[in-house]
Amino acid sequence: AQSVSQHNHHVILSEAASLELGCNYSYGGTVNLFWYVQYPGQHLQLLLKYFSGDPLVKGIKGFEAEFIKSKFSFNLRKPSVQWSDTAEYFCAVKGYGGSQGNLIFGKGTKLSVKP
Amino acid sequence: DSGVTQTPKHLITATGQRVTLRCSPRSGDLSVYWYQQSLDQGLQFLIQYYNGEERAKGNILERFSAQQFPDLHSELNLSSLELGDSALYFCASSGGGGDYGYTFGSGTRLTVV
Repeated sequence: AQSVSQHNHHVILSEAASLELGCNYSYGGTVNLFWYVQYPGQHLQLLLKYFSGDPLVKGIKGFEAEFIKSKFSFNLRKPSVQWSDTAEYFCAVKGYGGSQGNLIFGKGTKLSVKP
Repeated sequence: DSGVTQTPKHLITATGQRVTLRCSPRSGDLSVYWYQQSLDQGLQFLIQYYNGEERAKGNILERFSAQQFPDLHSELNLSSLELGDSALYFCASSGGGGDYGYTFGSGTRLTVV
């Protein structure tokens, strides 16, 4: 069965620190990978996505993620976080192809950035 | 505004009652998905509809049901409510099979007392 693991439940950083959030997935086929962000009291918004090609993908607000197929990982990074990045971050995986399952989410990582 | 509209935003009801949550997908999207978000379970996929037909089922309880109408809006019906059903219920929509990701609504926060 498909599953997504996010290793950190809560990460606390100071502004300007670098961020890396871990994500590993389990799926026996080609996948599409996503990171979503949920700001306090808001809906989930797509940060970035990977389908194929360059394993380093860039998203909005300076975020990027690297797909490492051999490690089944899709870690999210940002060189310098801001207080406004305080939010919950969700990694998600979907089997490639319209009929291949649905978006499966990890349990999320809460990021708190201290000003 | 994501384009996916959910009503109501908040709902407080008593155990044993029945409620209906409503979702209007983004214009042009044929697929609607329902998710339940709780502190202990995270985001759990409940059910998907595509152009009026049920496409996939996830961890949806028998007390819960959904449908998608000809105008593509969807309703999630929750009955015989229990305290443990208190959660955020999100609707999402996508074009086609959703390979490019889903667009989420703002959710309905259900509190069962």
